[in-house]
Amino acid sequence: AQSVSQHNHHVILSEAASLELGCNYSYGGTVNLFWYVQYPGQHLQLLLKYFSGDPLVKGIKGFEAEFIKSKFSFNLRKPSVQWSDTAEYFCAVKSNNAGNMLTFGGGTRLMVKP
Amino acid sequence: DADVTQTPRNRITKTGKRIMLECSQTKGHDRMYWYRQDPGLGLRLIYYSFDVKDINKGEISDGYSVSRQAQAKFSLSLESAIPNQTALYFCATSDHQGASYNEQFFGPGTRLTVL
Repeated sequence: AQSVSQHNHHVILSEAASLELGCNYSYGGTVNLFWYVQYPGQHLQLLLKYFSGDPLVKGIKGFEAEFIKSKFSFNLRKPSVQWSDTAEYFCAVKSNNAGNMLTFGGGTRLMVKP
Repeated sequence: DADVTQTPRNRITKTGKRIMLECSQTKGHDRMYWYRQDPGLGLRLIYYSFDVKDINKGEISDGYSVSRQAQAKFSLSLESAIPNQTALYFCATSDHQGASYNEQFFGPGTRLTVL
């Protein structure tokens, strides 16, 4: 079955540490890839997206993600996290092989200690 | 983002009751979606609508129904609520063209508890 996997369910980091959150998908065909963030008590907001072109995508708040087609991965990175990055992060994939609907991973809850 | 609003924001109800969750948007988008969020499962699609006359089942539509009353309004109903429908429900919208193509915009969520 087509799926999106986020292997880290909970991550705890200290401020200034580097962050990498994994995302793997099992779709074939053309994919569009997204990372959404949900701050405590708030709705989901788009962090960044990949449609085509440069596989290294830069988003808001210093986040970036790299699409590696051969590994079916779209990992999220940030060189130095801040306390305000505490949130839940969701990877999502849209595939033309899956009716062009958005499928979400299970989410990664990040806590940044001040 | 006030462009997509949901009412109510919180609701506690009892098993067997009928519940309606409402979503309105001022973004002018033609596509609307209902998701539920459960811990560790991410967001799962319940129903979606590409325009007023188009309604489609998502991954987990059993126990739910929807109504697209207008381009800007998309409501989700639980005809007879059960405890495993306790979850956080999100409405989302998207456009089919333009700069925001493929991006979904989410409402603030409705926390539903079924006792």
